[in-house]
Amino acid sequence: QTVVTQEPSFSVSPGGTVTLTCGLTSDSVSTSYYPFWCQQTPGQAPRTLIYNTNTRSSGVPDRFSGSILGNKAALTITGAQADDESDYYCALYLGSGISVFGGGTKLTVL
Amino acid sequence: EVQLVESGGGLVQPGGSLRLSCAASGFTFSRSSMHWVRQAPGKGLVWVSRINTDGSTSYADSVKGRFTISRDNAKNTLYLQMNSLRAEDTAVYYCVTDASVGGYWGQGTLVTVSS
Repeated sequence: QTVVTQEPSFSVSPGGTVTLTCGLTSDSVSTSYYPFWCQQTPGQAPRTLIYNTNTRSSGVPDRFSGSILGNKAALTITGAQADDESDYYCALYLGSGISVFGGGTKLTVL
Repeated sequence: EVQLVESGGGLVQPGGSLRLSCAASGFTFSRSSMHWVRQAPGKGLVWVSRINTDGSTSYADSVKGRFTISRDNAKNTLYLQMNSLRAEDTAVYYCVTDASVGGYWGQGTLVTVSS
C-alpha cells in the first residue's frame, strides 16, 4: 500500500524560512504526481495553497512556494508569520483517478 | 466568487444511508472534476472520491462499493450517496473543486454514524 509521508511537526521562528516535505514510501515524488498542498487552521475548512507542484492558488501570497527537492515534493514558507501556524497537508495523484493525502504537518511559529 | 455549500449530513445508525449534496457556484461546474474529502474528528484529511467531467468515477478502497459519487450539471450540484455506513465513516465531508480550477473547498458537512 502506498503511503504519503510528511513530518508530523515542525517549528519556525517568525521571519524565518521553513521547508515541509511530502514523500512516498514506494517511489520518488516527481511532477507526475501533481503535488498539492493545503493549509488548515483549527475549526476551519482547508485552503489550497499550491497545486501541480508549484502553482499558487488564487490569493495565496508568494512567500508560499512549491517545488521538488530530491525525491520529495516540498512546500517552502519564506518570512514565516504568526498566522502561518497551521496544519499543512500534501496530496499526491497516484493515477487512475486516485489521490492520497499525507498525515499532515503541524507547524508552530515561535 | 467560487462557492461550495455542502448539505445532507447528520446522525445515522450503523448500516444506514445518507446522501450528501454540494451546491456549486462562481465557476463553470460542468468543466471541473470534483472531489469529496473527509476528516474524522481530530484526524487528518482523507481523499474519498472523484468524478470527472465525463462522469467517470474513482474511489478510495475504504468506501468502494458502499459510496457513489454523482453530479447534476444542470443543477450545478455534486452528490455522495453513502450506504452501509460504519462508525469509522464519521467525519466532516468536504467537496473540493479540481486543482486545475484552483482547488476550492466548501465548509463541510458533519456525518456521525452511531447507534
